[in-house]
Amino acid sequence: AQKVTQAQTEISVVEKEDVTLDCVYETRDTTYYLFWYKQPPSGELVFLIRRNSFDEQNEISGRYSWNFQKSTSSFNFTITASQVVDSAVYFCALSEEETGANNLFFGTGTRLTVIP
Amino acid sequence: DGGITQSPKYLFRKEGQNVTLSCEQNLNHDAMYWYRQDPGQGLRLIYYSQIVNDFQKGDIAEGYSVSREKKESFPLTVTSAQKNPTAFYLCASSRTSGRGTSYNEQFFGPGTRLTVL
Repeated sequence: AQKVTQAQTEISVVEKEDVTLDCVYETRDTTYYLFWYKQPPSGELVFLIRRNSFDEQNEISGRYSWNFQKSTSSFNFTITASQVVDSAVYFCALSEEETGANNLFFGTGTRLTVIP
Repeated sequence: DGGITQSPKYLFRKEGQNVTLSCEQNLNHDAMYWYRQDPGQGLRLIYYSQIVNDFQKGDIAEGYSVSREKKESFPLTVTSAQKNPTAFYLCASSRTSGRGTSYNEQFFGPGTRLTVL
């Protein structure tokens, strides 16, 4: 069963628009971790954020913000005032404490294109 | 600079040949991982190693082999048994995180794109 679902395969926005990337997860573990990674065209994955299951506080980092809602099993990522440099593939991922960090379940990714 | 290096960035091989992908880290991490990325499928875990001289199969280990003789190095061999080896391969490392422990962030290398002709 898919543990992390990113239903949006590709999104295109015009520069300066806001955009939200959706992530829905599935787990039976009570302690788990959620992540977002960015993969620019160079290919390397860049860590953006980690959130544990006991911390539902939303987080803002510059133009990035994350909305974690356990009630809907979602961990959405919003980019405000998008820029061309935000163009990349974004992955949401889940790690369950029961199975340890060895199993980092990735979604299939959302390709974001920001048009100048 | 601390980080993970993978070489080469692009690799071409003929069908039926084994090929070894290099992964080196100087972050003093105990754990290392290999992932495979195919278009539209995200990343899938091939092998991981929590400590030197020990490694475990991930979700798609068939057709691959690894070794972990040194803490800094975790080479991946794509054997001729791997039916569809053309893919992008990513190596990662982290501090040790075993079952029932808090998660430690994984740091990724730049990847190797393998094409089998």
